[in-house]
Amino acid sequence: EAQVTQNPRYLITVTGKKLTVTCSQNMNHEYMSWYRQDPGLGLRQIYYSMNVEVTDKGDVPEGYKVSRKEKRNFPLILESPSPNQTSLYFCASRLGPTHQPQHFGDGTRLSIL
Amino acid sequence: DAKTTQPPSMDCAEGRAANLPCNHSTISGNEYVYWYRQIHSQGPQYIIHGLKNNETNEMASLIITEDRKSSTLILPHATLRDTAVYYCIVRVANAGGTSYGKLTFGQGTILTVHP
Repeated sequence: EAQVTQNPRYLITVTGKKLTVTCSQNMNHEYMSWYRQDPGLGLRQIYYSMNVEVTDKGDVPEGYKVSRKEKRNFPLILESPSPNQTSLYFCASRLGPTHQPQHFGDGTRLSIL
Repeated sequence: DAKTTQPPSMDCAEGRAANLPCNHSTISGNEYVYWYRQIHSQGPQYIIHGLKNNETNEMASLIITEDRKSSTLILPHATLRDTAVYYCIVRVANAGGTSYGKLTFGQGTILTVHP
């Protein structure tokens, strides 16, 4: 089954403790991205990747890092999480620069205390 | 990407057709119309997209006006599980720069299907 898989689905942690949210897709998609969703602000893009070893900032990249060493994986790294990064996070993927739609994961709810 | 306007909320009776409108009067010739929905904090789910012609798939139909300035998403037989926020998004297929791949979600339409 074609899917985008995020882990963990839920995480409660404390300020400053490094964490990684993994994202994996099995559709051989070139393009992957991360969004965060906050009440009243909608979905905002954090980082995106056009292919392996090619990443760039989205609209709200501060406090986040990403890497794209393999085509299927696009982890989101919070080196020193802070409470303002408490949010619902979604990973998405798409087949290259086409009109084909993006597919989203089920989300990761992060709470930073 | 062209701006879209959707009603903030709509109701629909179960089993009836749900018709969700979207206005995109500034759409360009190379911009597609996409519809996604989000069911209570789940990941956005792709529904359908089109450029000029009407489209139909197993989930819904998309009707695009001839001048492409508006469109309607049709759920032919709405069920309670179709209650969600529906987003209409207009974008070019191969936008460059920081717009590459980015979907801009507006406020969407909250569709409530009632028994």
